[in-house]
Amino acid sequence: EIVLTQSPGTLSLSPGERATLSCRASQSVNGRYLAWYQHKPGQAPRLLIYGVSSRATGIPDRFSGSGSGTDFTLTISSLEPEDFAVYYCQQYGSSLFTFGPGTKVDIK
Amino acid sequence: QVQLVQSGAAVKKPGASVRVSCMTSGYTFSGYYLHWVRQAPGQRLEWMGWFHPNNGATKTAQRFQGRLTMTGDTSVATVYMELTGLRFDDTAVYYCARDPHSALALGLLDYWGHGTLITVSS
Repeated sequence: EIVLTQSPGTLSLSPGERATLSCRASQSVNGRYLAWYQHKPGQAPRLLIYGVSSRATGIPDRFSGSGSGTDFTLTISSLEPEDFAVYYCQQYGSSLFTFGPGTKVDIK
Repeated sequence: QVQLVQSGAAVKKPGASVRVSCMTSGYTFSGYYLHWVRQAPGQRLEWMGWFHPNNGATKTAQRFQGRLTMTGDTSVATVYMELTGLRFDDTAVYYCARDPHSALALGLLDYWGHGTLITVSS
């Protein structure tokens, strides 16, 4: 099983600031099969990024993903008020799909 | 637009079973895999298994084998998840989610339901 860790656990920032979220895998993620999701309380999780760096349909370009192997990053270039949420990474390159524990981005 | 609407919250006793439904719309129901994912309080999301409505094929994560059954009804474009032998640590929000790849269960989840809270309490 590939175990994902995310850091930091909480990121306190102001609107307009840049957010950098990290996701590290216990072993190399097969085939760039790494995704990021945004989750707000009471809402359905939302797919942001798939294949490490491809934005899902309708996702603004302030969201970007990068990385390879075991280290991945989600960057939000300039936080909008609606971006304050929990973000999860997920690997889907092995038969047991696993998620990270999440990074909460809250308002400073 | 694609929508996944789940059944409401439930409280169950230890040892009981629960069935959660996920009604889909906005796409060809039989063409895509549906996954079940849960999140216990304070825990990370956990993948449970997938179901393909076209042929009823399933794959279950090892830790749920023997307790998890996934089915579907094409007449109402709905999938069901039944978990038996409930324990206190099965208390969680259960989500259904669609896989965007029709040919295989890639494990990517492009549309999610809002979740169903299942509480196991004596």
